[in-house]
Amino acid sequence: QLQLQESGPGLVKPSETLSLTCSVSGGSISTNRYFWGWIRQPPGKGLEWIGNIFYSGSTYYNPSLKSRVTISVDTSNNHFSLDLTSVTAADTAVYYCALVRSEWFSHFGLWGRGALVTVSS
Amino acid sequence: QSVLTQPPSASGTPGQRVTISCSGSSSSIASNTVNWYQQLPGTAPKLLIYNNNQRPSGVSDRFSGSKSGTSASLAISGLQSEDEADYYCAAWDDSLNGVLFGGGTKVTVL
Repeated sequence: QLQLQESGPGLVKPSETLSLTCSVSGGSISTNRYFWGWIRQPPGKGLEWIGNIFYSGSTYYNPSLKSRVTISVDTSNNHFSLDLTSVTAADTAVYYCALVRSEWFSHFGLWGRGALVTVSS
Repeated sequence: QSVLTQPPSASGTPGQRVTISCSGSSSSIASNTVNWYQQLPGTAPKLLIYNNNQRPSGVSDRFSGSKSGTSASLAISGLQSEDEADYYCAAWDDSLNGVLFGGGTKVTVL
């Protein structure tokens, strides 16, 4: 049974880089069936897509975040990562990683439990 | 404009049928599949409907989805207290070249 688990610092200072990792267990990240995605949710607000990555490294990013976002994949350790630079309080959110069906990029079939990241000095 | 529009709230009494709309555009809903997510309080979202009207294994048949043109709908029949949650639609947008989520609809069981 595939499982996803986010990990990383819960507190990041303004202007610094937010870095999170999503560990995939119960299956290989190196599969043609899926992409791997990041979605975030500010407290009390809705969902915002950040980006998707394929095991080969191909990426799709939300245009509104593209200049600050890098998503990478580590197939040897079966995880993928999110870096968000120059963060502000507006980046405070629960960050989710998810499994994405390759045929339908908005099909997030399995989610991690989420990681709350607060941006504050 | 690349947005998916949902009503902020919907409600019904136990046993009633509730419908949630999701309005998009020619570049989003009209051209791509729609997926729906249920988010129970304090938990991660869960895929509820995929490919416009398909239910993943384990999802109750009280939930159904449909799509017509630039709009999609989620229906909950036989409303139950456990259905109190936030519901989100999502679709790829060809103009944005990215995924759009609706703003979410909070369903309350009266």
